Amino acid sequence: GENVEQHPSTLSVQEGDSAVIKCTYSDSASNYFPWYKQELGKGPQLIIDIRSNVGEKKDQRIAVTLNKTAKHFSLHITETQPEDSAVYFCAATLSNFGNEKLTFGTGTRLTIIP
Amino acid sequence: ETGVTQTPRHLVMGMTNKKSLKCEQHLGHNAMYWYKQSAKKPLELMFVYSLEERVENNSVPSRFSPECPNSSHLFLHLHTLQPEDSALYLCASSQVIGVGTEAFFGQGTRLTVV
Repeated sequence: GENVEQHPSTLSVQEGDSAVIKCTYSDSASNYFPWYKQELGKGPQLIIDIRSNVGEKKDQRIAVTLNKTAKHFSLHITETQPEDSAVYFCAATLSNFGNEKLTFGTGTRLTIIP
Repeated sequence: ETGVTQTPRHLVMGMTNKKSLKCEQHLGHNAMYWYKQSAKKPLELMFVYSLEERVENNSVPSRFSPECPNSSHLFLHLHTLQPEDSALYLCASSQVIGVGTEAFFGQGTRLTVV
């Protein structure tokens, strides 16, 4: 089955600086890669996703890059703000006869230092 | 508010108790999920329901019993649990099952087994 590794497990950056979180996956057939943000006391919320037919996707201060050959994808947050502090999860999935089965990484706790 | 409501938010139960977790979604979705979130471990998919039929059971012990009476409600019945079952249990829903359909998560039930 799919295996997703995520690094680092914790990350602290100064407000205004950039943050990068990296994930690798094992199943080369995986074709959908979402990123979730989980704030304290809340469930995960989708913030951006990318499919295997594109290499990069951007949404304001958030971007995701995908390298299919190396089987890794990354989340980039620029001009970080205190509200970006949260736990971020990457995930990978393979469409299998209509079933959705996300394999998640172990999460990165991001702390923005004011 | 994501449209997915879980009750209770916190639950403490003894190993001989029977309790139930409830999830309700107000989004008109057809698929619902139970996940287990343990510290420093990836989110683990437990069960998937599509149109009230169970389509995925990820080798979950029988002490966890799901029920989906209609497409808006999902229950997780618990009995004779073990301390290692203590975790955050998250419910999610999506429009349909399949790649690229965003999963909306509830806030979770923090379960402690004593």
